[in-house]
Amino acid sequence: SQTIHQWPATLVQPVGSPLSLECTVEGTSNPNLYWYRQAAGRGLQLLFYSVGIGQISSEVPQNLSASRPQDRQFILSSKKLLLSDSGFYLCAWSLGDTDTQYFGPGTRLTVL
Amino acid sequence: QKEVEQNSGPLSVPEGAIASLNCTYSDRGSQSFFWYRQYSGKSPELIMSIYSNGDKEDGRFTAQLNKASQYVSLLIRDSQPSDSATYLCAVGSRSSYKLIFGSGTRLLVRP
Repeated sequence: SQTIHQWPATLVQPVGSPLSLECTVEGTSNPNLYWYRQAAGRGLQLLFYSVGIGQISSEVPQNLSASRPQDRQFILSSKKLLLSDSGFYLCAWSLGDTDTQYFGPGTRLTVL
Repeated sequence: QKEVEQNSGPLSVPEGAIASLNCTYSDRGSQSFFWYRQYSGKSPELIMSIYSNGDKEDGRFTAQLNKASQYVSLLIRDSQPSDSATYLCAVGSRSSYKLIFGSGTRLLVRP
């Protein structure tokens, strides 16, 4: 069966510091991968998605970037965090022939 | 702009009642519809998916789809306090790898 991991689970970072969040999927090959952000009390905002290694689509222009160095690894990064980057970051995966998405446990980021 | 609309709630029902959660969508090309449950502080988990008009039942949950009215609903029978959560509606189309999520309806089941 497939499992999805995210780390760290929680993170507190100062404004202007860099960020690296990691997501890894096990038990499947060539998944579609997604990064979402959920601000407190709000809905899901799609940030990036990838349908293959080296293929990254950005949904919202901002100070975040994503990379997919391996088939089942998706990384979300920032060079300088803003206060508005605080939120719950969720990674999700789906298979190419279906659009059902499954979410990881999430990373709660607080920028101070 | 493709949109998915949900009433934010909270929807409050007594234990044992039927909870009815509703969702409308704007893209007539939508072909896949999902309900996710999200407990406070946790990630969304998939409850139901539905692709064809009509009803789909899974235990205490029934998803209903009406493509002509661009409307999808989730019924929860015999509601339990453990059903208290935010329910997210998501809509997809075959032409896209993406799902469009509603902002969620908060359900509160009173003991």
